[in-house]
Amino acid sequence: DVKVTQSSRYLVKRTGEKVFLECVQDMDHENMFWYRQDPGLGLRLIYFSYDVKMKEKGDIPEGYSVSREKKERFSLILESASTNQTSMYLCASKLGQGPIDTIYFGEGSWLTVV
Amino acid sequence: LAKTTQPISMDSYEGQEVNITCSHNNIATNDYITWYQQFPSQGPRFIIQGYKTKVTNEVASLFIPADRKSSTLSLPRVSLSDTAVYYCLHPLILTGGGNKLTFGTGTQLKVEL
Repeated sequence: DVKVTQSSRYLVKRTGEKVFLECVQDMDHENMFWYRQDPGLGLRLIYFSYDVKMKEKGDIPEGYSVSREKKERFSLILESASTNQTSMYLCASKLGQGPIDTIYFGEGSWLTVV
Repeated sequence: LAKTTQPISMDSYEGQEVNITCSHNNIATNDYITWYQQFPSQGPRFIIQGYKTKVTNEVASLFIPADRKSSTLSLPRVSLSDTAVYYCLHPLILTGGGNKLTFGTGTQLKVEL
């Protein structure tokens, strides 16, 4: 089975801190994604990547950056955390560019910014 | 942009059939339609996928009309454990590379006794 692992399940950070959320997948998937999920707003795409060192903005990239130095790892970075970034963050991966590949999600990282 | 629209919430009782419809007016020729299920504190997981007409698996059925501008997820005889959020999705295949996968708000299904 494909496994998408998010390094931290629960984090509490202070306003202004730099925050790293790490995601690793073990199935050589080309595509990786970061979402945030808030009540009533569904899943919102922050950034995605389709290859090493490639990144594309999603629908809400402001306040975030990403890094993909290795194919299996996709990091989400909050340069200066703010309270409105308190949320659950979900990482996902997908094998290739085809329309039928299944998307696999991690278990989520709950971030609280105080 | 690949945009989908679903009802925000639905209520049902155990043993009933539930149909959740999603509209995707700008679906492209090559797009497949996929549905995901999410339980609280977990990531979404794949339920079913189709291109046109009807697809059935052990969990659900998916109905897609000829114009493919909508799809209906059908859950037969729901139980309490089907209480979850259901998302429909069709990926946007970017010409420059990558898939932009935009989910909608999802449908919160609540099943009661």
